[in-house]
This record gives sequence, structure tokens and C-alpha cells, in this order.
Amino acid sequence: DAMVIQNPRYQVTQFGKPVTLSCSQTLNHNVMYWYQQKSSQAPKLLFHYYDKDFNNEADTPDNFQSRRPNTSFCFLDIRSPGLGDAAMYLCATSRDLAGGYHNEQFFGPGTRLTVL
Amino acid sequence: AQSVTQLDSQVPVFEEAPVELRCNYSSSVSVYLFWYVQYPNQGLQLLLKYLSGSTLVESINGFEAEFNKSQTSFHLRKPSVHISDTAEYFCAVSELEGGSEKLVFGKGTKLTVNP
Repeated sequence: DAMVIQNPRYQVTQFGKPVTLSCSQTLNHNVMYWYQQKSSQAPKLLFHYYDKDFNNEADTPDNFQSRRPNTSFCFLDIRSPGLGDAAMYLCATSRDLAGGYHNEQFFGPGTRLTVL
Repeated sequence: AQSVTQLDSQVPVFEEAPVELRCNYSSSVSVYLFWYVQYPNQGLQLLLKYLSGSTLVESINGFEAEFNKSQTSFHLRKPSVHISDTAEYFCAVSELEGGSEKLVFGKGTKLTVNP
């Protein structure tokens, strides 16, 4: 089945130790998103890729970076995780069509990050 | 920028009772609305969406939502809930930016269905 896969599902890191979260998709969608979801809060968009074009949200900290080496894969790098970065990180994809057609976003299961 | 308000953070109901989860959005010329459901330790799944046309939209598992432009609302309803409907529900509005779509989510409503 076509899907969005996130690895690992649970990640534990130490304060200040860089960590990379992975997302892959078999949907061949051209747009990929990274969201941060803290406990009992709404998902918050960090950035997204439209094909290879990177779009950063204005309030996303510099500590968060992303890479998209090809259509299928997208990575979230947290350079120096702080305690406040503990959250669920959700990857999503969509097939954006010309003309502004609003397409469904497909979400992965998320990676829960714990910072010790 | 768009915004979404979900007034109820938690809604407890008994099995087979009706439920309404409320959602209001900020007014805009064109608005596209979504309801997503999140089961524990899982990602979000699309429940239903309003893009245009009929103001009443339905999902395959008995939920429906009605787009009300005058009240800027998109409330989610189900006439009879099941234990398995226990989950968190997020209302979202989309906006186009830089050629691609962004979703702005409400804070979510936790629905707990009790036996």
C-alpha cells in the first residue's frame, strides 16, 4: 500500500546531541511537510518542500533544518535539541496540483522525540 | 492569515449518544475546511473535507460536517457514537502560500466515548 513512513517511531536523545528524523513516501507526492506537535496542542508547521524548493515558516527556530535528497525522502535535523523540543514530529505529503486545488495531506504515524 | 478555533478541548459522551464537535474559522474570501482524526500514538487521518458545492459533507464512518458561511463554522456531528470513535479531532483550514497548500489546525477536541 502507498504510504508515508516515519523512522524511528520513538527517539530518545540527550540535551544538545544532534538528532535526525526520517520520512519516506511511496505516494510520489511532490510536497512534503514537517509538523511539530506538542502534548495537547495542534500540529504546527515547521517547513515544507514544494518539489526541491524549501519553504521555512517564519517562526521555525534555526535549530531545525531539513533535507530532501529526492522525491521519496525527507529528513528533519535538530542540531542541538533542548528540553522544549520534546514533541511528536509528523511528516505529511500532498500532491499539489496547478490552479490551487486543495488536496488532502497524508500523514505518517509520527516520531515521538524525548530529550533527556 | 487564517485561524481556527475549537471551543471544546474535551468532550465526553456515552456510547450511542449524538455528538457535535465545534469548529469556527476566520473569515476569508475562499475557504477550504478539513476534519482530521488522530488515534492514540498515530498520525492524522483525513475524516472529511469541504472544498465547494454542497455545504453538508459526509465521511464513510457516519460523521458529517456542515459548512456555514454566515456563522463561519464547520461543526462535526455524528448521530450515534461508538467506543471506537474515541480519538482527538482536529479542524483545519487551508491557505495557499508560495504555490503550495498550508494547513492551519485548531487545538483539537478529545472525544471520549464511554460505555
